[in-house]
Amino acid sequence: GQNIDQPTEMTATEGAIVQINCTYQTSGFNGLFWYQQHAGEAPTFLSYNVLDGLEEKGRFSSFLSRSKGYSYLLLKELQMKDSASYLCAVTDSNYQLIWGAGTKLIIKP
Amino acid sequence: KAGVTQTPRYLIKTRGQQVTLSCSPISGHRSVSWYQQTPGQGLQFLFEYFSETQRNKGNFPGRFSGRQFSNSRSEMNVSTLELGDSALYLCASSPGTEPNTGELFFGEGSRLTVL
Repeated sequence: GQNIDQPTEMTATEGAIVQINCTYQTSGFNGLFWYQQHAGEAPTFLSYNVLDGLEEKGRFSSFLSRSKGYSYLLLKELQMKDSASYLCAVTDSNYQLIWGAGTKLIIKP
Repeated sequence: KAGVTQTPRYLIKTRGQQVTLSCSPISGHRSVSWYQQTPGQGLQFLFEYFSETQRNKGNFPGRFSGRQFSNSRSEMNVSTLELGDSALYLCASSPGTEPNTGELFFGEGSRLTVL
């Protein structure tokens, strides 16, 4: 079966750095997404990785290793507004999006 | 530019009833996908429509159906509701001709409660 694993919950301190990991086992690979979802709101796009390596976008960076079936989302200079769920999703060989259950990130002052 | 609009936002139904949810995508977007979101389960893919054709379908029973109109607006229908159908139903649109290779724009969702 297809599977995406990410931690259920993480806690970090305002101003610090946090890394949210995502491992996947899917039938084929056509890209990996990270989305942010605040409680009661719609998911919003953060990043899309197709090739191996690190992509940086402001305070957020996303890394991909296709050979290891692994990605992480790195959040720097954490702010209280970063408290949200972070969703990892992979596009498989049939171009279907397979979603992880999400990581709830709690930021403490 | 208006975002993705879903109606109704909240609804309560009883077992055995049916429900129709509506989604208006961003203007110019031809692809509309539907997802079911429940706590701890993540998003489960229901189906995707592109130019009025169902292009992809998830592993949901036939009680779940959808369609897309010529203006790209989409509806999904759930018949013979069960308690387990209680969830947030999210619609997402994208412009791309190739599915799930670009950003999805989500609506706020329709929260369905089945009693």
